[in-house]
Amino acid sequence: DGGITQSPKYLFRKEGQNVTLSCEQNLNHDAMYWYRQDPGQGLRLIYYSQIVNDFQKGDIAEGYSVSREKKESFPLTVTSAQKNPTAFYLCASTPESRYNEQFFGPGTRLTVL
Amino acid sequence: AQSVAQPEDQVNVAEGNPLTVKCTYSVSGNPYLFWYVQYPNRGLQFLLKYITGDNLVKGSYGFEAEFNKSQTSFHLKKPSALVSASALYFCAVREDSSYKLIFGSGTRLLVRP
Repeated sequence: DGGITQSPKYLFRKEGQNVTLSCEQNLNHDAMYWYRQDPGQGLRLIYYSQIVNDFQKGDIAEGYSVSREKKESFPLTVTSAQKNPTAFYLCASTPESRYNEQFFGPGTRLTVL
Repeated sequence: AQSVAQPEDQVNVAEGNPLTVKCTYSVSGNPYLFWYVQYPNRGLQFLLKYITGDNLVKGSYGFEAEFNKSQTSFHLKKPSALVSASALYFCAVREDSSYKLIFGSGTRLLVRP
């Protein structure tokens, strides 16, 4: 899982609550990404950030928010507006180049009770 | 629009036999192709990539993949399967003009002893 940490590993949330997932990297990578993984659907991009203080919506951004105040950190908030938040969330980072592979964190499994 | 297809949900092979996990892609520009492996409740690990040059790419754990431009395919291969290779495999593509990775739905590889 390289130099990317995600916390917590497991997270339980009640309906109507916001929750923030942590992602930190010590690889000095410029770009960071958040994906959602559901069974049989592969990975879907939620948000990505190529530089500090800038980020773009991915394919399924509704109900999620992010910030990129530091190069090392890219936290994801799952808001109460996300209707089906139970999933496995993966954070990734990559150096600034289209040729480079992404490095993934170990993931956070979010369950809404 | 970019897309990736992994036509097999699961591939079963006996230990010691060769294995192939199929991947086809669709992009409008030059494709950058990647294979990742995922073990249960873990992040994705990078196996190999094709950017340019030799069509046969060698990667981690004895895996290789062949880029075929005319068939728009990038099948993952291993000459002799190990039980420890049983996992979920993802193919991904990035278009020349994009920083986004598009993932296939994944193929579960099961290697029988």
